[in-house]
Amino acid sequence: AQSVTQLGSHVSVSEGALVLLRCNYSSSVPPYLFWYVQYPNQGLQLLLKYTSAATLVKGINGFEAEFKKSETSFHLTKPSAHMSDAAEYFCAVRGGADGLTFGKGTHLIIQP
Amino acid sequence: EADIYQTPRYLVIGTGKKITLECSQTMGHDKMYWYQQDPGMELHLIHYSYGVNSTEKGDLSSESTVSRIRTEHFPLTLESARPSHTSQYLCASSRATAGADTQYFGPGTRLTVL
Repeated sequence: AQSVTQLGSHVSVSEGALVLLRCNYSSSVPPYLFWYVQYPNQGLQLLLKYTSAATLVKGINGFEAEFKKSETSFHLTKPSAHMSDAAEYFCAVRGGADGLTFGKGTHLIIQP
Repeated sequence: EADIYQTPRYLVIGTGKKITLECSQTMGHDKMYWYQQDPGMELHLIHYSYGVNSTEKGDLSSESTVSRIRTEHFPLTLESARPSHTSQYLCASSRATAGADTQYFGPGTRLTVL
């Protein structure tokens, strides 16, 4: 069975500062890992995904994430936060043919 | 941008009503999913389908039912809505059963049962 833990339900950073959103996973099989972003009253949009091709994954909007098997982590980062990055971010894992298992989400707040 | 649509976007109804939430995709994807998302919470898989005439229950038990008569259409039905069904329902689709395939999400239907 798969599970995802996102540390911090709310993260607040200043505009221009580093964004770090934490995700740890548990999976009984080699995992596929995903980060999605959800803006208010919208569906989820894929930011990036890990497919075992490379441990450092680059996504859209300047985000990237690094897969660390030894730490069972897949943290999301962005060097410089923009106001438009304010949203809900979900980490998810898929270990089989079924749907995704999601974390509880992290609400990212950008302070001017 | 994903071509997956959900209607209605918002629905407020009374207890006991039968409702159908519509989901359609124009990408020709075989696999489709329904997730339930309570406010401020994670998404839980409630139904999925491998293709036409295939429906499976997800990780979270749900009183809703689904059907898959056409590849592009995956409606969700509640025969008798209750306040406990108040939630957001998100539909998604993906190309195949491969684990790394991206799931594309619709905008969601926010359901309120009074």
